[in-house]
Amino acid sequence: ELQLVESGGDLVKPGGSLRLSCSASGFIFSDNIMNWVRQVPGRRPEWVSAINGRSTHMYYADSVKGRFTISRDNAKNSLYLQMNSLRAEDSAVYYCAKDLTFWGQGTLVTVSS
Amino acid sequence: DIVMTQTPLSLPVTPGEPASISCTSSQSLVDSDDGNTYLDWYLQKPGQSPQLLIYTLSYRASGVPDRFSGSGSGSEYTLKISRVEAEDVGVYYCMQRLDFPITFGQGTRLEIK
Repeated sequence: ELQLVESGGDLVKPGGSLRLSCSASGFIFSDNIMNWVRQVPGRRPEWVSAINGRSTHMYYADSVKGRFTISRDNAKNSLYLQMNSLRAEDSAVYYCAKDLTFWGQGTLVTVSS
Repeated sequence: DIVMTQTPLSLPVTPGEPASISCTSSQSLVDSDDGNTYLDWYLQKPGQSPQLLIYTLSYRASGVPDRFSGSGSGSEYTLKISRVEAEDVGVYYCMQRLDFPITFGQGTRLEIK
């Protein structure tokens, strides 16, 4: 059974940092492009970042470029998102998604003083 | 960035009746290399993460009932539900994955009359 479990969401002050994790199971993790997508409740999803299976290509939304870093550890079947210089507008539920065909249940990030 | 626009934003439907949602893109979503149209449809049920319904314009995802169908050409796409059921309530999103950044429509909220 496909499973993606995000963790690491928290309340953090503006300018702070947070690292999100996503644990994957039920599929060959290294074969799949993995994504982070965020969503403010009641609004459309916003794609954040993607990484290919071998970590040779990473892509970012302009809104997070230079502040967020996506990475993965295929040996641990895990995806990460290092978020630095956080802003209030980064507050959202963050989902990891396998090829954008299957999404986890999300982890809540709140940036507020 | 490719802009995705959906209509209507709200769609009240009587059970058993058909429903249709339109999505337009600011540019064609046809990949010039392989001829595929990289337009997907998602349903986000209340309190859940988005789930894939239709991928690459017209292919139903695994487990999706055949009352859902996707079509379109050029920059105009349509999701049709042949007979709406109570379990179909939620917000429907179109999404393009032809190019980064991946972008979503604003969403169409389907409710049961």
